[in-house]
Amino acid sequence: GAGVSQSPSNKVTEKGKDVELRCDPISGHTALYWYRQSLGQGLEFLIYFQGNSAPDKSGLPSDRFSAERTGGSVSTLTIQRTQQEDSAVYLCASSPSSNQPQHFGDGTRLSIL
Amino acid sequence: QKEVEQNSGPLSVPEGAIASLNCTYSDRGSQSFFWYRQYSGKSPELIMFIYSNGDKEDGRFTAQLNKASQYVSLLIRDSQPSDSATYLCAPQKAAGNKLTFGGGTRVLVKP
Repeated sequence: GAGVSQSPSNKVTEKGKDVELRCDPISGHTALYWYRQSLGQGLEFLIYFQGNSAPDKSGLPSDRFSAERTGGSVSTLTIQRTQQEDSAVYLCASSPSSNQPQHFGDGTRLSIL
Repeated sequence: QKEVEQNSGPLSVPEGAIASLNCTYSDRGSQSFFWYRQYSGKSPELIMFIYSNGDKEDGRFTAQLNKASQYVSLLIRDSQPSDSATYLCAPQKAAGNKLTFGGGTRVLVKP
C-alpha cells in the first residue's frame, strides 16, 4: 500500500506570503502528526490529530500556524505571513492509532526568501 | 536538561563491528520508545520500537530499555556502510502521543 504522501515536495516563497502544505496519511490510520525539522535542528512536534477528538496544538510556534484535518483523512498545515525562520522541512506522520509506531512521509522542504 | 539526550557523534565504527547508541530521557511517564534512522536529506524511517523493560531483537538490531534508569539503547550488529545515518531516539507518553525526539547520533561505518 501507499505510504504517507506529502505535497508539494519543495516550496519556495517570499516572506509574508501564506503557504499550504498537504498530507495524505496511510489509508486507515486514525492518528496524524505534523513535525518540522530546521537545518541542523532536531525534530519538533507541531500538532496531532486523533480521530474526531480535538487536536493537540501544543507544539504550534505561533498563531500564524494552523492545521485542519478534513473527513478524518487529508490534513493541511497553513502558515500565514511566512517569516524566514519558518524555513524548514515539514514532516507528516500517521499511525493506526495513538501509541502505535508513526510512519513519516518524505516531507515538504519550505524555503522563505 | 533536554527531554531526550543523545550523543551527537559521529560514532565511527569499522564494518562488521557493533555500534552501540545510547539515549536517556527525562519524562518518567514515557511508555513507548522508538528508534528511527534518518539518511541525509531523507525523512525518518522506523527501525525498532520497544515497550517493556529488557531486550528486543530484530535482525541485526537490538533495542534495550531500562525504565528505572530512564535509558534506552540500540545495538547494531555486523555494521554495514549502509547503516551510516543519523539514529533518532523518540520516547512517547501514553497520554500525549506525540514523539519527543533526541538530537540524534550520527553513525559512520567505515569499510
